[in-house]
Amino acid sequence: AQSVSQHNHHVILSEAASLELGCNYSYGGTVNLFWYVQYPGQHLQLLLKYFSGDPLVKGIKGFEAEFIKSKFSFNLRKPSVQWSDTAEYFCALKEGGDKIIFGKGTRLHILP
Amino acid sequence: SQTIHQWPATLVQPVGSPLSLECTVEGTSNPNLYWYRQAAGRGLQLLFYSVGIGQISSEVPQNLSASRPQDRQFILSSKKLLLSDSGFYLCAWSGGIQLAGYNEQFFGPGTRLTVL
Repeated sequence: AQSVSQHNHHVILSEAASLELGCNYSYGGTVNLFWYVQYPGQHLQLLLKYFSGDPLVKGIKGFEAEFIKSKFSFNLRKPSVQWSDTAEYFCALKEGGDKIIFGKGTRLHILP
Repeated sequence: SQTIHQWPATLVQPVGSPLSLECTVEGTSNPNLYWYRQAAGRGLQLLFYSVGIGQISSEVPQNLSASRPQDRQFILSSKKLLLSDSGFYLCAWSGGIQLAGYNEQFFGPGTRLTVL
């Protein structure tokens, strides 16, 4: 069965540090991949998505993610984080059907 | 524009009581609808999804059921709540295959359920 693994459950960084959150998935076919973010007290919202084409995807608020098919990975990156990036981040996978499977999330805490 | 509503926002229920959580979507037609449960450290667990009226797919066998009586209405129910049903329940929608946004989900504000 398909699954999504997020390696880091809780990450603490200082402002201006670089960020990389890991995401690996298991599914042998064509996939769509997503990163969602949930800011404190707010709805889940989409950061970025990969469907096809350029494996380097740029999203909102300076985030980007790289799809590496050979590694089954879709890691999220940001070169310089801000205090306002404090949130929980979820990687998600959609295979050919209608289901979207989420990882367990990574809580990111940015120190001012 | 499309909006998604969930109610109630919070609910406290005794063990053994019934449950009905409602989700409605506005501004779109024939959406795919989803129920998730979110627990700290466990991410979002997909419970049910529906691609049309009366069509429900269950992902996790448990004490809950779902129904879709109308195109833009999705209901999560239980006949007898258990303590383990406590959690944060999220409804989401995505567009049908013919629509833009087919592959992206949009989430509601959630319902916090506490079973005592």
